[in-house]
Amino acid sequence: AQSVTQLGSHVSVSEGALVLLRCNYSSSVPPYLFWYVQYPNQGLQLLLKYTSAATLVKGINGFEAEFKKSETSFHLTKPSAHMSDAAEYFCAVSAVAAGNKLTFGGGTRVLVKP
Amino acid sequence: DTGVSQNPRHKITKRGQNVTFRCDPISEHNRLYWYRQTLGQGPEFLTYFQNEAQLEKSRLLSDRFSAERPKGSFSTLEIQRTEQGDSAMYLCASSPDRRFTEAFFGQGTRLTVV
Repeated sequence: AQSVTQLGSHVSVSEGALVLLRCNYSSSVPPYLFWYVQYPNQGLQLLLKYTSAATLVKGINGFEAEFKKSETSFHLTKPSAHMSDAAEYFCAVSAVAAGNKLTFGGGTRVLVKP
Repeated sequence: DTGVSQNPRHKITKRGQNVTFRCDPISEHNRLYWYRQTLGQGPEFLTYFQNEAQLEKSRLLSDRFSAERPKGSFSTLEIQRTEQGDSAMYLCASSPDRRFTEAFFGQGTRLTVV
């Protein structure tokens, strides 16, 4: 069985400040991990993915995430927040043996203050 | 490539009525997934297809729910005798049948049962 825990359902950052969103996972097999972003009343857009290659993964819009097996973590960061980063962010783990279906965390809503 | 398309975008229905949603995946993708997202939560897996075969159904998918993917192209999700607890965003996603690949999501159908 797989599971994902996102610490903090809401995060507030100032424009230009560091964005840090935390994700911890549980998986009985080597995981494939994803971060998706969702804007209001929209579907999910992929930010980045980890698929057992480099542990530091760079994604779109200046985001990156680091896979740490010893900590079972896959935290998402962005050095400098923009107003356009205000959205909800979801961490997910994929079950390759089950058709790559995704198990999502509960999400973290990011508010960016001017 | 026009992306994953879902129709309708919004549906309001009275309790007890039947509703049907449609998903058109990216044309070359042979995997198709349905997820349900309630307010403030991450998406939850409902079911997935490999071509026309429905390979897995979540226990969340009660007997009132049925999904089809005739000829391995578009898919429909039908909810019979809707209940207020069915109110949610229903998300469709598709992906190619290979490892290390992400799912591409549609914009979702928001169902409100009154």
